Amino acid sequence: AQKITQTQPGMFVQEKEAVTLDCTYDTSDQSYGLFWYKQPSSGEMIFLIYQGSYDEQNATEGRYSLNFQKARKSANLVISASQLGDSAMYFCAMREFNTGTASKLTFGTGTRLQVTL
Amino acid sequence: EPEVTQTPSHQVTQMGQEVILRCVPISNHLYFYWYRQILGQKVEFLVSFYNNEISEKSEIFDDQFSVERPDGSNFTLKIRSTKLEDSAMYFCASTIILGAGGYTFGSGTRLTVV
Repeated sequence: AQKITQTQPGMFVQEKEAVTLDCTYDTSDQSYGLFWYKQPSSGEMIFLIYQGSYDEQNATEGRYSLNFQKARKSANLVISASQLGDSAMYFCAMREFNTGTASKLTFGTGTRLQVTL
Repeated sequence: EPEVTQTPSHQVTQMGQEVILRCVPISNHLYFYWYRQILGQKVEFLVSFYNNEISEKSEIFDDQFSVERPDGSNFTLKIRSTKLEDSAMYFCASTIILGAGGYTFGSGTRLTVV
C-alpha cells in the first residue's frame, strides 16, 4: 500500500484564489511528521510546512496552512491568495520514526499546480 | 540562510563510467540523505547516514552505490558503473535533529547517462 497518496495529478487555480492540495497517508506509528515541499520548474525542493502527529493545532506558515485531520489520515495543504509564482509541483511527504536511526522521508507522487490570471 | 550545496549541477556520463556526486550539508546538521527523482516521477529515498555510517538504505541502493563523508564537511554519492536507468535528479538533504522542522535539500545534480 502507498504510504503517501496524492490523488490530484494536476490542479488549476485563479490568481488570488485559495486552493487545497490533497494528501492522505498510511502509517501504524503514533509518532510521525508530515511535510509539504514545493518544486518549481528549476528543480529544487523547497520546504513549506511541517505538522507533527502530536500537534493539536494545524500548522501555518504565511499563506500556507496544513489541514490536519488525524482520524482521516489526511494532511491537505491550503494555499491562500494564490500567486503566479506558486505554479509548481507540490509534494507531500511523511517521516516515520521507526524506520531507522535517521528516519527518511517518503514522498507522494505530487500535484502540479498551475496558477492562472 | 544556510544551504545544502551540491556539485555539479549537471553531469553527463557514459554508461559504465563511475560518477561522484558531491554535497556539502549544513555545517551543524547530523543526519544526511540522498534521494533521487527520475524525470516526472516522485522523489525516492536512497540512503541515510548518521554518525559516520549508513543508517538505512533502500532497494535501489545496491552494490553499485556507495556514500562517504570523507572530511567532516563533504558527503558524496558514488555510482560505480552507471546504467542508463541511473539518469535522474539526485538530491542531497540534511537535518540537524529528528523532530519539528524540515529537511533542507540541495538544489540537486541532474545526472544523464548516455
